[in-house]
Amino acid sequence: GQQLNQSPQSMFIQEGEDVSMNCTSSSIFNTWLWYKQEPGEGPVLLIALYKAGELTSNGRLTAQFGITRKDSFLNISASIPSDVGIYFCAGQLGDTGNQFYFGTGTSLTVIP
Amino acid sequence: KAGVTQTPRYLIKTRGQQVTLSCSPISGHRSVSWYQQTPGQGLQFLFEYFSETQRNKGNFPGRFSGRQFSNSRSEMNVSTLELGDSALYLCASSRAGRYNEKLFFGSGTQLSVL
Repeated sequence: GQQLNQSPQSMFIQEGEDVSMNCTSSSIFNTWLWYKQEPGEGPVLLIALYKAGELTSNGRLTAQFGITRKDSFLNISASIPSDVGIYFCAGQLGDTGNQFYFGTGTSLTVIP
Repeated sequence: KAGVTQTPRYLIKTRGQQVTLSCSPISGHRSVSWYQQTPGQGLQFLFEYFSETQRNKGNFPGRFSGRQFSNSRSEMNVSTLELGDSALYLCASSRAGRYNEKLFFGSGTQLSVL
């Protein structure tokens, strides 16, 4: 199946710092979604991207759909303790229903 | 608006048994898909249902099956359970399962096979 390379694998940052993570693929995707997952819960949708070059914000979160359509980026500004969790990217190849391919996740720890 | 609801939240089974998981999508959503999440393999697509028909299928053995009812609710069944089937099973819904849609997940069913 498709492989989504997500990096970094984990991050330990001080409260107030900015965070950047990304996903890359060898395939072209039509949709990128970013999720946050906390222990024992399902992934919660943060941002959805549908067009190459698209830049979308949700509060302190900003994500971009890469111009090549093979990558996407998520930035979190001024991190706070409740940002702790695992962040996943998910890509959809085309009009293939809900068959999304997921990155391996970025574990974020925020130190107060 | 209620989110995606999955039941039960936890299940403990023994090898060889079978299990049925249930999912109620967001009201108005007609596409339901299932994913398996494990520490080693991450999130992997099992299958998707739309209008009571399986539309897409991932690379899982035939022991994994599902169905969708006319009210869009879905069930997933795993027969002859193996230790490796221990995982968090996630159900997700979207309006029609087309591109340019958002995919919403439930809280999952944590299955432990002993």
